[in-house]
Amino acid sequence: QVQLVQSGAEVKKPGSSVKVSCKASGGTFSSYAISWVRQAPGQGLEWMGGIIPIFGTANYAQKFQGRVTITTDESTSTAYMELSSLRSEDTAVYYCARVWVRGVISSVAFDIWGQGTMVTVSS
Amino acid sequence: QSVLTQPPSASGTPGQRVTISCSGSSSNIGSNYVYWYQQLPGTAPKLLIYRNNQRPSGVPDRFSGSKSGTSASLAISGLRSEDEADYYCAAWDDSLSGLFGGGTKLTVL
Repeated sequence: QVQLVQSGAEVKKPGSSVKVSCKASGGTFSSYAISWVRQAPGQGLEWMGGIIPIFGTANYAQKFQGRVTITTDESTSTAYMELSSLRSEDTAVYYCARVWVRGVISSVAFDIWGQGTMVTVSS
Repeated sequence: QSVLTQPPSASGTPGQRVTISCSGSSSNIGSNYVYWYQQLPGTAPKLLIYRNNQRPSGVPDRFSGSKSGTSASLAISGLRSEDEADYYCAAWDDSLSGLFGGGTKLTVL
């Protein structure tokens, strides 16, 4: 059974960048899309973008275009999400999640989730 | 404000049936599948319903989903205390973006 394990909590200054990792273990990595979803404290879920490792091309939500970069390293079965120009509103738990259908990026069907990474943006 | 609209709260007593609505548009719910997630406090969301009305293995048949036009619903029958959680609908939008509803907090009285 595939598991997604994310990197630990981060505290960042406004204007800086953060890079969160999501390592897959126990199954196939390359042909399933990995998406990133965030959740601000007490708020709902927000889709940020996704990528299929074997293709390498990411798709981003318009809101985050130009500020987010999603990449993968197939050699380590790890996906990354980097968010730049951080502001206080970016304080949130960031989740990676696997799309359950092989080879499909245009989906919100997430069957496996990481444990979440808390990113705090504060001066 | 989310593109998919859900009531912020819902409640019921043990054994009751409750429904949670999710309203969208022709570019998302109207033309794509709807998914439902359950999120218990402090945990990652869990897939509850996929492709409008299908349950993943392990999800009790007390949970059911439906879709009509640009709206969808999640129904929970035989309500139990452990069902107290936040519930989110989700759908892909033809603008090439994933969407979530604002979430509904279910309270079991």
